[in-house]
Amino acid sequence: SQQGEEDPQALSIQEGENATMNCSYKTSINNLQWYRQNSGRGLVHLILIRSNEREKHSGRLRVTLDTSKKSSSLLITASRAADTASYFCATDEYGNKLVFGAGTILRVKS
Amino acid sequence: KAGVTQTPRYLIKTRGQQVTLSCSPISGHRSVSWYQQTPGQGLQFLFEYFSETQRNKGNFPGRFSGRQFSNSRSEMNVSTLELGDSALYLCASSFLAGGYNEQFFGPGTRLTVL
Repeated sequence: SQQGEEDPQALSIQEGENATMNCSYKTSINNLQWYRQNSGRGLVHLILIRSNEREKHSGRLRVTLDTSKKSSSLLITASRAADTASYFCATDEYGNKLVFGAGTILRVKS
Repeated sequence: KAGVTQTPRYLIKTRGQQVTLSCSPISGHRSVSWYQQTPGQGLQFLFEYFSETQRNKGNFPGRFSGRQFSNSRSEMNVSTLELGDSALYLCASSFLAGGYNEQFFGPGTRLTVL
């Protein structure tokens, strides 16, 4: 079962622009993680935000978490062509069992 | 530190055969989880192993099984393959088993069932 939805399903932007992806989930969580996947390859871990955190930064990434709305957003600033990938949020349903959203396909045009 | 490794990277099998996939976690990580990714169902949890014990299992038929060895390496087996088993199989490793942990994924094994 999928925990929630990612929005938008696909996003196309120019290099240098910012990209924002949203994720909603259904149940209480301990933490939420964001992953990137290039062309059907493995998932690259981007960032983990705990349920008691509201915002977290890592390089050009900014993640927010609103547990009252059961939603999270991932902002990529100053995007590059190399950021072209699918982005997934994942929540921990039980222990290390991750429940993934359907993902957002990001295309950055150079 | 070396990342999560999975072998083989690609496999082609025919219906009815069985297959075994292997995953070596990051050194020091004791939890290994397996996921199936298909275009239709997305990423779905198969099972998790920690210290050679299955801790959690997803909603997959009994044809899907796994095990973990004392060195934390894990194998996943699918018997009596069906066309619908064609997928990217990903394993993830984590230091601990109780959640709150970052999970790091391997490159995956692409299984094609003909």
